Amino acid sequence: AQSVTQPDIHITVSEGASLELRCNYSYGATPYLFWYVQSPGQGLQLLLKYFSGDTLVQGIKGFEAEFKRSQSSFNLRKPSVHWSDAAEYFCAVGAGQTGANNLFFGTGTRLTVIP
Amino acid sequence: GAGVSQSPSNKVTEKGKDVELRCDPISGHTALYWYRQRLGQGLEFLIYFQGNSAPDKSGLPSDRFSAERTGESVSTLTIQRTQQEDSAVYLCASSQTSGGAHEQFFGPGTRLTVL
Repeated sequence: AQSVTQPDIHITVSEGASLELRCNYSYGATPYLFWYVQSPGQGLQLLLKYFSGDTLVQGIKGFEAEFKRSQSSFNLRKPSVHWSDAAEYFCAVGAGQTGANNLFFGTGTRLTVIP
Repeated sequence: GAGVSQSPSNKVTEKGKDVELRCDPISGHTALYWYRQRLGQGLEFLIYFQGNSAPDKSGLPSDRFSAERTGESVSTLTIQRTQQEDSAVYLCASSQTSGGAHEQFFGPGTRLTVL
């Protein structure tokens, strides 16, 4: 069965600093991987997704993520964090064509940005 | 519409009462999902609809939970005899088709509080 682990519950970074949020997944085949962001009072917004091909994917708002099969990871990165990036970030895995139709989410990482 | 909408945005109810939550998916999206997000937790899959196929109810936590969808339009999630542990944000998502590869677009959620 699919599962997602986000080991960091809460991360604090200074504005302008680089960011890496960790995500590890468990799935028997090639997964479909997603990062969503949830700002206070907002719905989830898709930042980026990986289906196949280039393992480094670019998303919105300057975010990128790298799929590493050998490590079962899909970490999210941003070179310079802005105060508006403060939010909750969720990694999710979706099954392939023969799998379930829902997404499995991690428990989220809350990002605080300090001036 | 432009996005997934949900109503009400907030619902406070007394233990033992029934509640109905509504989701309007993006027009043309055949797949619709319900998730539950408890405070400080990730999203839990509840139920999935795809066209006229039988829904995937594998995530419903008890027989007090049910959901309906008319064709490819509105869906309602019903919780009977609410309990305090049902307090959560209920999120609806829709996608163009089924399968783990397809981006799910989320609504803003309904925050349910059971007193």
